[in-house]
Amino acid sequence: GAGVSQSPSNKVTEKGKDVELRCDPISGHTALYWYRQSLGQGLEFLIYFQGNSAPDKSGLPSDRFSAERTGGSVSTLTIQRTQQEDSAVYLCASSLEGRGFDTQYFGPGTRLTVL
Amino acid sequence: LAKTTQPISMDSYEGQEVNITCSHNNIATNDYITWYQQFPSQGPRFIIQGYKTKVTNEVASLFIPADRKSSTLSLPRVSLSDTAVYYCLVGDGNTPLVFGKGTRLSVIA
Repeated sequence: GAGVSQSPSNKVTEKGKDVELRCDPISGHTALYWYRQSLGQGLEFLIYFQGNSAPDKSGLPSDRFSAERTGGSVSTLTIQRTQQEDSAVYLCASSLEGRGFDTQYFGPGTRLTVL
Repeated sequence: LAKTTQPISMDSYEGQEVNITCSHNNIATNDYITWYQQFPSQGPRFIIQGYKTKVTNEVASLFIPADRKSSTLSLPRVSLSDTAVYYCLVGDGNTPLVFGKGTRLSVIA
């Protein structure tokens, strides 16, 4: 079946603008994760959705970042008033149930460049 | 969450066996050990997972000693295409896995 998809693949924006990044998880996967990866760095956890539970927002770096997941499927990560330090690859992953031993399947990522 | 420690980078020649060791001294009874691989410009992908002793699949082997405070990912006869970042993670069934910085493996011809 189809894997995790993300759009857009690349996004260039000006400092101060808002951006929305989209993630379509694998059908039937109840858990969805957002990560950020700066050049040459490891993955930085941002937010985690599991079913109908309240999302784990503990990784969001500031209140400019928010995410929602509609209908338990598609998720949108919104960054308001973008800053140059927001430039990174934003990765989305989904897993069947979100437990620690469930395999996470990653999308190709969205490369965000803030000028 | 159990914290993991792994080398930042490793170099190897083609055809050699590569062993990457990860320390997780605070691993809990219910934690599993999982390794992911990430190629440049791609998201990570699952390699192997284990709880204790040894696990082997078509890609790698995972060795876990009895005390489970460390684990070793073994890649047999690496090729240039194995150049990637390898992440070690531990987690139970109740919390999501969190990735660290991983080990950057460079395979040299």
